[in-house]
Amino acid sequence: SQQGEEDPQALSIQEGENATMNCSYKTSINNLQWYRQNSGRGLVHLILIRSNEREKHSGRLRVTLDTSKKSSSLLITASRAADTASYFCATDGRDFGNEKLTFGTGTRLTIIP
Amino acid sequence: NAGVTQTPKFQVLKTGQSMTLQCAQDMNHNSMYWYRQDPGMGLRLIYYSASEGTTDKGEVPNGYNVSRLNKREFSLRLESAAPSQTSVYFCASSDRGRKTEAFFGQGTRLTVV
Repeated sequence: SQQGEEDPQALSIQEGENATMNCSYKTSINNLQWYRQNSGRGLVHLILIRSNEREKHSGRLRVTLDTSKKSSSLLITASRAADTASYFCATDGRDFGNEKLTFGTGTRLTIIP
Repeated sequence: NAGVTQTPKFQVLKTGQSMTLQCAQDMNHNSMYWYRQDPGMGLRLIYYSASEGTTDKGEVPNGYNVSRLNKREFSLRLESAAPSQTSVYFCASSDRGRKTEAFFGQGTRLTVV
């Protein structure tokens, strides 16, 4: 089974609103990352948060991490039509020998102009 | 820099045929990955390689083999293709030592008929 599960699976909001998506994972991690995928394209890295961090910002993105609940959230503020894409969280294992980078099932975000 | 280059972009195979998907990166990364993406399933890890000369199984390795030919190249082979292997395949690489973001190729859309 996959390490991460995103919630919701799909989200539609009006342009200008904020979008929040959540990720839960199963095992201890070193880092958690969020990626974006436009239809039919490869994934693009958005932001990385380390296990000892609780919150991180990058432009209109805000990521939180709660290691006690094994969960993370991604907030996109003031959404734009160009933000329409699928968003994935990804985790890597805590042990140095565990090099797997595993992804969740994704949230499909649609911004309505 | 080209980043991560995958070939081919599209391929149609008949059941039982074999083929090799090629992946090369020019970022001097240690870690390389092969994923498959199916509708509603997110990205599932097939195999990964933490360094030249080493490979390990991911979540869904059955029916696949890999070769880490050198630091730059990581190939994925389907020995006897099956319709269940119809998917989009992505190669990725990352800098293991710094635990930073992964860079993705543009994907190979494979159809097995």
